[in-house]
Amino acid sequence: SAVISQKPSRDICQRGTSLTIQCQVDSQVTMMFWYRQQPGQSLTLIATANQGSEATYESGFVIDKFPISRPNLTFSTLTVSNMSPEDSSIYLCSVVWASGRADEQYFGPGTRLTVT
Amino acid sequence: QQQVKQSPQSLIVQKGGISIINCAYENTAFDYFPWYQQFPGKGPALLIAIRPDVSEKKEGRFTISFNKSAKQFSLHIMDSQPGDSATYFCAASKNNNDMRFGAGTRLTVKP
Repeated sequence: SAVISQKPSRDICQRGTSLTIQCQVDSQVTMMFWYRQQPGQSLTLIATANQGSEATYESGFVIDKFPISRPNLTFSTLTVSNMSPEDSSIYLCSVVWASGRADEQYFGPGTRLTVT
Repeated sequence: QQQVKQSPQSLIVQKGGISIINCAYENTAFDYFPWYQQFPGKGPALLIAIRPDVSEKKEGRFTISFNKSAKQFSLHIMDSQPGDSATYFCAASKNNNDMRFGAGTRLTVKP
Protein backbone atom coordinates (compact mmCIF):
# COMPACT_ATOMS: atom_id res chain seq x y z
CA SER A 1 0.00 0.00 0.00
CA ALA A 2 0.98 3.64 -0.35
CA VAL A 3 2.67 5.41 2.57
CA ILE A 4 0.96 8.72 3.27
CA SER A 5 2.36 11.47 5.46
CA GLN A 6 0.75 14.70 6.58
CA LYS A 7 2.22 17.89 7.98
CA PRO A 8 1.61 19.23 10.50
CA SER A 9 0.29 16.41 12.65
CA ARG A 10 -1.47 18.93 14.86
CA ASP A 11 -1.73 22.66 15.33
CA ILE A 12 -3.46 25.22 17.47
CA CYS A 13 -4.41 28.32 15.52
CA GLN A 14 -6.03 31.63 16.25
CA ARG A 15 -9.39 32.65 14.85
CA GLY A 16 -9.08 34.48 11.52
CA THR A 17 -5.79 32.92 10.47
CA SER A 18 -5.16 30.26 7.81
CA LEU A 19 -3.37 26.92 7.94
CA THR A 20 -1.99 24.89 5.05
CA ILE A 21 -1.85 21.12 5.48
CA GLN A 22 0.48 19.08 3.31
CA CYS A 23 -0.04 15.52 2.10
CA GLN A 24 2.83 13.54 0.62
CA VAL A 25 2.57 10.05 -0.84
CA ASP A 26 5.57 7.82 -1.46
CA SER A 27 4.37 6.77 -4.92
CA GLN A 28 2.16 8.07 -7.69
CA VAL A 29 -1.53 7.60 -7.01
CA THR A 30 -4.53 8.00 -9.26
CA MET A 31 -6.77 9.94 -6.92
CA MET A 32 -6.38 12.10 -3.82
CA PHE A 33 -9.09 13.32 -1.52
CA TRP A 34 -9.44 15.53 1.54
CA TYR A 35 -11.80 14.62 4.39
CA ARG A 36 -12.84 16.27 7.62
CA GLN A 37 -13.60 14.34 10.78
CA GLN A 38 -15.09 16.31 13.63
CA PRO A 39 -14.52 14.94 17.14
CA GLY A 40 -16.31 11.64 17.64
CA GLN A 41 -17.92 11.87 14.22
CA SER A 42 -17.69 10.17 10.87
CA LEU A 43 -15.70 11.28 7.85
CA THR A 44 -17.01 13.92 5.48
CA LEU A 45 -15.54 14.39 2.02
CA ILE A 46 -14.41 17.96 1.43
CA ALA A 47 -13.10 17.66 -2.10
CA THR A 48 -11.30 15.60 -4.70
CA ALA A 49 -7.86 17.02 -5.45
CA ASN A 50 -7.37 16.95 -9.23
CA GLN A 51 -3.85 16.96 -10.59
CA GLY A 52 -3.20 20.08 -12.61
CA SER A 53 -6.69 21.48 -12.33
CA GLU A 54 -9.17 22.89 -9.83
CA ALA A 55 -10.41 20.61 -7.09
CA THR A 56 -13.95 19.23 -7.13
CA TYR A 57 -15.78 20.30 -3.99
CA GLU A 58 -18.64 18.60 -2.19
CA SER A 59 -21.81 20.39 -1.28
CA GLY A 60 -21.20 22.70 1.66
CA PHE A 61 -17.51 23.24 0.92
CA VAL A 62 -16.16 26.10 -1.19
CA ILE A 63 -12.82 26.92 -2.73
CA ASP A 64 -12.48 30.25 -0.95
CA LYS A 65 -12.64 28.53 2.43
CA PHE A 66 -10.72 25.35 1.53
CA PRO A 67 -8.35 26.04 -1.37
CA ILE A 68 -6.62 22.87 -2.57
CA SER A 69 -3.59 22.34 -4.74
CA ARG A 70 -2.29 19.18 -6.39
CA PRO A 71 0.76 20.02 -8.47
CA ASN A 72 1.73 16.39 -9.15
CA LEU A 73 0.70 12.77 -8.54
CA THR A 74 2.29 12.51 -5.09
CA PHE A 75 1.54 15.80 -3.32
CA SER A 76 -1.43 17.93 -2.33
CA THR A 77 -2.21 20.76 0.05
CA LEU A 78 -5.38 21.84 1.79
CA THR A 79 -5.66 25.32 3.24
CA VAL A 80 -8.22 26.13 5.90
CA SER A 81 -8.82 29.86 5.50
CA ASN A 82 -10.10 32.49 7.89
CA MET A 83 -10.51 29.88 10.60
CA SER A 84 -13.19 29.85 13.26
CA PRO A 85 -13.62 27.46 16.22
CA GLU A 86 -16.11 25.48 14.10
CA ASP A 87 -13.19 24.45 11.89
CA SER A 88 -11.63 22.49 14.74
CA SER A 89 -11.44 18.99 13.32
CA ILE A 90 -9.14 16.29 12.09
CA TYR A 91 -8.29 16.78 8.42
CA LEU A 92 -7.39 13.63 6.53
CA CYS A 93 -5.73 13.12 3.21
CA SER A 94 -6.75 9.99 1.34
CA VAL A 95 -5.49 8.30 -1.81
CA VAL A 96 -6.66 5.59 -4.15
CA TRP A 97 -3.96 3.04 -4.73
CA ALA A 98 -4.30 0.69 -7.64
CA SER A 99 -3.69 -2.73 -6.16
CA GLY A 100 -4.32 -5.67 -8.41
CA ARG A 101 -7.99 -6.19 -9.18
CA ALA A 102 -9.41 -3.76 -6.73
CA ASP A 103 -8.42 -0.16 -6.24
CA GLU A 104 -8.23 0.59 -2.55
CA GLN A 105 -8.48 3.84 -0.64
CA TYR A 106 -6.00 4.64 2.12
CA PHE A 107 -5.85 7.43 4.65
CA GLY A 108 -3.05 9.49 6.07
CA PRO A 109 -2.56 9.90 9.82
CA GLY A 110 -4.54 13.14 9.90
CA THR A 111 -3.93 16.70 11.04
CA ARG A 112 -5.63 17.64 14.29
CA LEU A 113 -6.58 21.32 14.13
CA THR A 114 -7.77 23.32 17.10
CA VAL A 115 -8.96 26.89 16.52
CA THR A 116 -9.11 29.19 19.54
CA GLN B 1 -23.86 13.43 2.49
CA GLN B 2 -24.61 10.29 4.49
CA GLN B 3 -25.99 7.56 2.25
CA VAL B 4 -24.76 4.70 4.39
CA LYS B 5 -26.50 3.85 7.66
CA GLN B 6 -24.47 2.00 10.27
CA SER B 7 -25.52 0.28 13.48
CA PRO B 8 -25.04 -0.09 16.34
CA GLN B 9 -23.45 3.17 17.44
CA SER B 10 -21.55 1.32 20.16
CA LEU B 11 -20.94 -2.31 20.96
CA ILE B 12 -19.51 -4.13 23.96
CA VAL B 13 -18.36 -7.71 23.50
CA GLN B 14 -16.59 -10.15 25.76
CA LYS B 15 -13.20 -11.46 24.75
CA GLY B 16 -13.64 -14.44 22.47
CA GLY B 17 -17.10 -13.39 21.36
CA ILE B 18 -18.36 -12.37 17.94
CA SER B 19 -18.72 -8.69 17.09
CA ILE B 20 -21.27 -7.86 14.40
CA ILE B 21 -21.68 -4.43 12.82
CA ASN B 22 -24.29 -3.74 10.17
CA CYS B 23 -24.58 -1.25 7.34
CA ALA B 24 -27.25 -0.42 4.80
CA TYR B 25 -26.88 1.67 1.68
CA GLU B 26 -29.24 3.42 -0.70
CA ASN B 27 -27.39 3.96 -3.94
CA THR B 28 -27.46 0.81 -6.08
CA ALA B 29 -24.60 2.24 -8.15
CA PHE B 30 -22.15 1.65 -5.30
CA ASP B 31 -19.67 -1.03 -6.31
CA TYR B 32 -17.09 -1.08 -3.53
CA PHE B 33 -17.75 -1.65 0.16
CA PRO B 34 -14.80 -1.32 2.54
CA TRP B 35 -14.54 -1.41 6.30
CA TYR B 36 -12.09 0.81 8.14
CA GLN B 37 -10.70 0.50 11.65
CA GLN B 38 -9.67 3.62 13.49
CA PHE B 39 -7.76 3.86 16.75
CA PRO B 40 -7.75 7.10 18.75
CA GLY B 41 -5.39 9.67 17.26
CA LYS B 42 -4.85 7.67 14.07
CA GLY B 43 -6.21 7.79 10.56
CA PRO B 44 -8.68 5.10 9.44
CA ALA B 45 -6.97 1.90 8.29
CA LEU B 46 -8.46 -0.28 5.57
CA LEU B 47 -9.47 -3.56 7.18
CA ILE B 48 -11.32 -5.53 4.52
CA ALA B 49 -13.40 -4.74 1.46
CA ILE B 50 -15.88 -6.45 -0.85
CA ARG B 51 -17.38 -5.93 -4.28
CA PRO B 52 -20.98 -6.91 -5.09
CA ASP B 53 -20.05 -9.90 -7.24
CA VAL B 54 -19.47 -11.99 -4.10
CA SER B 55 -21.62 -12.54 -1.02
CA GLU B 56 -18.88 -13.11 1.51
CA LYS B 57 -15.20 -12.37 2.01
CA LYS B 58 -13.06 -13.62 4.85
CA GLU B 59 -9.63 -12.45 5.97
CA GLY B 60 -8.46 -14.05 9.18
CA ARG B 61 -10.93 -13.27 11.94
CA PHE B 62 -12.74 -10.65 9.85
CA THR B 63 -15.61 -11.50 7.50
CA ILE B 64 -17.81 -9.28 5.36
CA SER B 65 -21.25 -10.59 4.48
CA PHE B 66 -22.95 -8.85 1.57
CA ASN B 67 -26.64 -8.97 0.61
CA LYS B 68 -27.11 -7.14 -2.67
CA SER B 69 -30.89 -7.51 -2.83
CA ALA B 70 -31.32 -6.10 0.67
CA LYS B 71 -28.61 -3.46 0.10
CA GLN B 72 -26.95 -4.46 3.33
CA PHE B 73 -23.51 -5.59 4.39
CA SER B 74 -22.01 -6.50 7.71
CA LEU B 75 -18.68 -7.01 9.43
CA HIS B 76 -18.17 -10.02 11.67
CA ILE B 77 -15.17 -10.17 13.98
CA MET B 78 -14.67 -13.69 15.28
CA ASP B 79 -12.86 -14.42 18.54
CA SER B 80 -12.88 -10.71 19.40
CA GLN B 81 -9.82 -9.49 21.31
CA PRO B 82 -9.23 -6.41 23.49
CA GLY B 83 -6.86 -5.17 20.78
CA ASP B 84 -9.84 -5.00 18.41
CA SER B 85 -11.31 -2.19 20.53
CA ALA B 86 -11.58 0.70 18.09
CA THR B 87 -14.08 2.60 15.99
CA TYR B 88 -15.19 0.83 12.84
CA PHE B 89 -16.56 2.60 9.77
CA CYS B 90 -18.33 1.02 6.85
CA ALA B 91 -18.22 2.84 3.55
CA ALA B 92 -19.44 2.61 -0.01
CA SER B 93 -18.26 4.13 -3.26
CA LYS B 94 -18.84 4.09 -6.98
CA ASN B 95 -15.84 3.77 -9.29
CA ASN B 96 -13.56 4.78 -6.41
CA ASN B 97 -15.17 8.18 -6.35
CA ASP B 98 -17.21 9.90 -3.76
CA MET B 99 -16.83 7.41 -0.91
CA ARG B 100 -19.58 7.71 1.70
CA PHE B 101 -19.03 6.64 5.27
CA GLY B 102 -21.30 5.28 7.94
CA ALA B 103 -21.51 7.05 11.29
CA GLY B 104 -19.12 4.61 12.95
CA THR B 105 -19.36 1.95 15.66
CA ARG B 106 -17.29 2.16 18.79
CA LEU B 107 -16.35 -1.39 19.72
CA THR B 108 -15.14 -2.31 23.19
CA VAL B 109 -13.91 -5.82 23.81
CA LYS B 110 -13.80 -6.62 27.51
CA PRO B 111 -11.09 -9.00 28.75
